[in-house]
Amino acid sequence: EPEVTQTPSHQVTQMGQEVILRCVPISNHLYFYWYRQILGQKVEFLVSFYNNEISEKSEIFDDQFSVERPDGSNFTLKIRSTKLEDSAMYFCASSLRLADTQYFGPGTRLTVL
Amino acid sequence: DAKTTQPPSMDCAEGRAANLPCNHSTISGNEYVYWYRQIHSQGPQYIIHGLKNNETNEMASLIITEDRKSSTLILPHATLRDTAVYYCIGNPTGNQFYFGTGTSLTVIP
Repeated sequence: EPEVTQTPSHQVTQMGQEVILRCVPISNHLYFYWYRQILGQKVEFLVSFYNNEISEKSEIFDDQFSVERPDGSNFTLKIRSTKLEDSAMYFCASSLRLADTQYFGPGTRLTVL
Repeated sequence: DAKTTQPPSMDCAEGRAANLPCNHSTISGNEYVYWYRQIHSQGPQYIIHGLKNNETNEMASLIITEDRKSSTLILPHATLRDTAVYYCIGNPTGNQFYFGTGTSLTVIP
């Protein structure tokens, strides 16, 4: 069964460093998403992406964040200058259509020291 | 987004049916009800969704009331591996799902 994959599973970085989290969505899906979950808190939407542009973003997704689909298979989330409060699980998801079932990856645990 | 209300926690004996309720009183007529679960800090796992008819798949059944203001997820024979947080998402508004705090289901041996 097709699935969303994410790398790395765990990323440790120093405050102020840039990180790139990678995702491979399900191959025929057209909509891509990033969510995050701070330890013990809710899963929060960050951004959605369709047709090579952001279609919706939350207040969390400020200028420190960017997303890109650099090729036909990968979907990345970049945090330019990490802060301690960026420590969280980051989940990528994809769906075939808008407002359709979203399939989530296993997540990347980001730890900012 | 439709506000959903779920009990914070439930227990279920292994092998018995787990019935997880959800109120989604503000759901509109063409919006699906989705159920996901999350085991520890793993990625949310899709379970089932429905519009107005009851639905069943290999994982669960979904019963939606006629007025669509509430639904019940049924795990027919709960196992220890079903211990998780279950989320009822009443309104995938455009692009984003709004995850609430869900119901923490503990399956007891």
